[in-house]
Amino acid sequence: EAGVTQSPTHLIKTRGQQATLRCSPISGHTSVYWYQQALGLGLQFLLWYDEGEERNRGNFPPRFSGRQFPNYSSELNVNALELEDSALYLCASSLLRGNQPQHFGDGTRLSIL
Amino acid sequence: GQQLNQSPQSMFIQEGEDVSMNCTSSSIFNTWLWYKQDPGEGPVLLIALYKAGELTSNGRLTAQFGITRKDSFLNISASIPSDVGIYFCAGRPLDDYKLSFGAGTTVTVRA
Repeated sequence: EAGVTQSPTHLIKTRGQQATLRCSPISGHTSVYWYQQALGLGLQFLLWYDEGEERNRGNFPPRFSGRQFPNYSSELNVNALELEDSALYLCASSLLRGNQPQHFGDGTRLSIL
Repeated sequence: GQQLNQSPQSMFIQEGEDVSMNCTSSSIFNTWLWYKQDPGEGPVLLIALYKAGELTSNGRLTAQFGITRKDSFLNISASIPSDVGIYFCAGRPLDDYKLSFGAGTTVTVRA
């Protein structure tokens, strides 16, 4: 069974640009979660999508947005990039039913120059 | 989200040692998860706990769901060099599908 896949692995942008990160969940998982992990810090919850709908979002500005497609894959978009957006962005997926655990991809390293 | 206190923040291990870390929350959780993250990779699920008092092992790893439902611990027995990494606890409070994560415990091999 293929795990959660994320692309690209690395992304280099400059301030003010826009970034798009992609995530494919484990087959059969309908929920996708996005987290930001800044260097040396823990995981900060960004967004949760299930069945194409945004179910919850963390304490991040509106320039962080995303969507989930009919095949349950997801995109995270970050507009007007700032230096402090440099981080590892992790995607996780799970079955929504019950207390199913989240399984993570290896992340996209976003560097803002 | 909920605040999870994970301790210790870091630890040094010597091969063969048993090590322990724990996580506490300010509210009741119905799920506790433990993950390990190696450099350049995403967190990997180690153990999932769903019932108060539950004790679950995965090889040399053992984790317990605290009876109060507000804490959990992870033990690593007979540690080996590949145990180094960052261990995260995560919990799901009642009536919420969103996980809260601890800040992580960084495990390093003592020279």
